[in-house]
Amino acid sequence: DVKVTQSSRYLVKRTGEKVFLECVQDMDHENMFWYRQDPGLGLRLIYFSYDVKMKEKGDIPEGYSVSREKKERFSLILESASTNQTSMYLCASSLDDPRDTQYFGPGTRLTVL
Amino acid sequence: AQSVTQLGSHVSVSEGALVLLRCNYSSSVPPYLFWYVQYPNQGLQLLLKYTTGATLVKGINGFEAEFKKSETSFHLTKPSAHMSDAAEYFCAVSQDNTDKLIFGTGTRLQVFP
Repeated sequence: DVKVTQSSRYLVKRTGEKVFLECVQDMDHENMFWYRQDPGLGLRLIYFSYDVKMKEKGDIPEGYSVSREKKERFSLILESASTNQTSMYLCASSLDDPRDTQYFGPGTRLTVL
Repeated sequence: AQSVTQLGSHVSVSEGALVLLRCNYSSSVPPYLFWYVQYPNQGLQLLLKYTTGATLVKGINGFEAEFKKSETSFHLTKPSAHMSDAAEYFCAVSQDNTDKLIFGTGTRLQVFP
């Protein structure tokens, strides 16, 4: 079974803090994704990585950056957390094929105070 | 631009009743279409997908969906709802047949005894 793990289920941070969200997949997938999930808005893509050190902006990249130094690990970084970044963050991975399933982690619920 | 519309943010059915969750898409190319389910406090998991071939697609847990090109629809159905089907359901289309998905805003299904 594909497994995607996220470093924390719940995280509470203060405004202005630097926040790291980590995601690890164990199936040698080329693609990794970070989404943000908010009620009534569905899932919105923040960043996408199709290979080590390669990344593409998604629909809402402002205020976020990413890092992919190893194939299995994809990190989301909030350089200076703000209250409007309070949300559920979901990581996913997939093979390099648009027909392929995306496999999701359990999510990290981030609260910024 | 491609988009996905899910009609009805909340749907309630009685146990044993038909489940119908609606999804319409817009796409300039033949689409790849997906339904994902999210159970409480979990990430998303694939229910079913349409890529090519038979337009009636069967998925897990008794769900199925039919790709209707003329109606640009991919509605999800299940003949008889079970209490365990209570979850949030997301329809998605691959963006220009790339590895990225565009998600609908989700439909929360409630099942009453």
